[in-house]
Amino acid sequence: AQSVTQLGSHVSVSEGALVLLRCNYSSSVPPYLFWYVQYPNQGLQLLLKYTSAATLVKGINGFEAEFKKSETSFHLTKPSAHMSDAAEYFCAVSEAQGGGAQKLVFGQGTRLTINP
Amino acid sequence: EAQVTQNPRYLITVTGKKLTVTCSQNMNHEYMSWYRQDPGLGLRQIYYSMNVEVTDKGDVPEGYKVSRKEKRNFPLILESPSPNQTSLYFCASRSERTQPQHFGDGTRLSIL
Repeated sequence: AQSVTQLGSHVSVSEGALVLLRCNYSSSVPPYLFWYVQYPNQGLQLLLKYTSAATLVKGINGFEAEFKKSETSFHLTKPSAHMSDAAEYFCAVSEAQGGGAQKLVFGQGTRLTINP
Repeated sequence: EAQVTQNPRYLITVTGKKLTVTCSQNMNHEYMSWYRQDPGLGLRQIYYSMNVEVTDKGDVPEGYKVSRKEKRNFPLILESPSPNQTSLYFCASRSERTQPQHFGDGTRLSIL
């Protein structure tokens, strides 16, 4: 079974600083990898997805993530943090389940705080 | 507008009182699923459905039931809720296997 580990349940950065949120998945190469963002009292919104087309994936709001097979990582970055980036971020991988379905296996989440 | 709609958004109830959380999607998606979100655990799948009348257990199905009588609807049923089912619940849907899931805004359940 797939597993996902997000290093750091809380990350705090200053406005304008680099954002780096770490995600490692279990060793068998997953078909698809995702980053979702959750703003307070809202559902999950897709930031970006990796589907093996390119190792560097660009998403919405200036975020990007790089798939590194050798490190089994899919870290999320943004060059310059904005106050509106404060949210909880989830890394997820797809995993095959019965009937040909694919489910999402989520990491524990990382809460990002932006300091003015 | 494409969306997944859950109701209610918030519910406080008591142990043993049956409740249903509705989920409806307007995208004609075949695949739907339910997750619960708990602090430090991320989201875990409860049940999923590949199509009408096709449902199966996810990772944490105990204490829950689902049905899929229509393609657009996928209600989550708690026959006899208990306090350990206090959580934030999300419904999601997806078209094809390669596409990301669309999530509803969540239902926060408190079982006293």
